[in-house]
Amino acid sequence: DAGVIQSPRHEVTEMGQEVTLRCKPISGHNSLFWYRQTMMRGLELLIYFNNNVPIDDSGMPEDRFSAKMPNASFSTLKIQPSEPRDSAVYFCASSFGGAGADTQYFGPGTRLTVL
Amino acid sequence: SQQGEEDPQALSIQEGENATMNCSYKTSINNLQWYRQNSGRGLVHLILIRSNEREKHSGRLRVTLDTSKKSSSLLITASRAADTASYFCATEYRDDKIIFGKGTRLHILP
Repeated sequence: DAGVIQSPRHEVTEMGQEVTLRCKPISGHNSLFWYRQTMMRGLELLIYFNNNVPIDDSGMPEDRFSAKMPNASFSTLKIQPSEPRDSAVYFCASSFGGAGADTQYFGPGTRLTVL
Repeated sequence: SQQGEEDPQALSIQEGENATMNCSYKTSINNLQWYRQNSGRGLVHLILIRSNEREKHSGRLRVTLDTSKKSSSLLITASRAADTASYFCATEYRDDKIIFGKGTRLHILP
């Protein structure tokens, strides 16, 4: 199994540009999570999908952030317009089952730098 | 904040020694998980302990849970250089929310 796949691995962009991060979960997993990790705030859950439906988006910082899961094998996290404070490592994780007692499998992350 | 807090924030020990990290949380939980993150990588699940369990083992790892003190500890015995990483606890609360702590950075000295 290839594990959770994220692209790109690194993204450098200028303030105001649109950024799209992509995630392919592990086949057969029905839950997908987007996290943001910074030194100051640690690992924050942004949004959680179950069976392609957003269940909890309370962690999405503001309207500039949006996430979609059009099918069971693909999700995107979009930031528009991007700001320097969005610079962070963004992780996608998937699990078999809900947000409960199931191991989450993390992707390698996308390191985003907004200049 | 419900966020679990790991303690200490950073720990350096000699190879071969045991490493102990702690996690405290604020309200009742369903379960608690420990994850490891190597530099530049995603998190990797280590072990899960449910609220009705007190201790679990996996290889050189031993996890304890004290629900009366709302705390958990992760013990790594006979540490190795490869154990150098950050370790996070993730608490699942009764509303199914999972919150990660800020982690303990463990450095194993040769």
